[in-house]
Amino acid sequence: EVQLLESGGGVVRPGGSLRLSCVASGFTFDDYGMSWVRQVAGKGLEWVAGLNFSGGSTRYVDSVKGRFTISRDNAKNTLYLEASSLRAEDTARYYCTKLAGATAVSQFEHWGQGTLVTVSS
Amino acid sequence: QSVLTQPPSASGTPGQRVTISCSGGSSNIGINTINWYQQFPGAAPKLLIYSIDQRPSGVPDRFSGFSSGTSASLAISGLQSEDEADYYCASWDDSLNGWVFGGGTKLTVL
Repeated sequence: EVQLLESGGGVVRPGGSLRLSCVASGFTFDDYGMSWVRQVAGKGLEWVAGLNFSGGSTRYVDSVKGRFTISRDNAKNTLYLEASSLRAEDTARYYCTKLAGATAVSQFEHWGQGTLVTVSS
Repeated sequence: QSVLTQPPSASGTPGQRVTISCSGGSSNIGINTINWYQQFPGAAPKLLIYSIDQRPSGVPDRFSGFSSGTSASLAISGLQSEDEADYYCASWDDSLNGWVFGGGTKLTVL
C-alpha cells in the first residue's frame, strides 16, 4: 500500500522559511516522479512543484519560482520542499503526491494527508 | 482565476446522471490529457479518472470521462449519496510548463 507521510508544516512569519518533508513507502520510490500540490482552506487545488524520478528535472509554478526548491533523497525515500521568503498567500495545506510515471508530467496518482503551513505575523 | 473553468456547483437526485464540465484552451486540454480528482470534506483528493477516460482500479464504472477539443466532462451515472464531494479537473499546460487545475465543482445529491 502506497503511503505518503508529510511533516514540517507550522506557523512562520512573513519572510521566513520552512522545509517540508514527505516520507514514502509501499512502492519503489526512485522509479516515480513526485510533486507538491497545495490547497488554501475552502479553496481549490494548486500545483506547486514537481520533479522526475532522479530529481534531475524540476518544474515550478511561477508564483514560487526562486523561493521554493523541490528535491528528493532516493536513499531515504523522502521528498522535500524548501520554502523561503514566505508570504501570507503561501498559507495552505501542502500535499505530497506520487506521480503515475517517472517524469514530472504524469498525473497525481496517490496523495498524502497534507501538512499545514501558516504564514502570519 | 483558474486556467481551467468548471461550474462551481452541480446537483442531482439519486439515480440520476450528472455531468461536470471543464473548459480549457489550446495549450492544455487541447493537446494534453485530462485527469479528474474527487475530494471529500477534510480528506485528501483521490485520482478518479486519468488520461481522459481511464479509471484506476476500485473506481466504479458509474464514473466516466470525455474530452473534445478544448473541453472535457466527467459523467456520474446512477448518482448515489456518497458521490457528494468536490470534483477537480487537471491538465498539463505547455505554455505555463506546469499542471493547471479547474476551480472545482461541489456536487450535491439532493
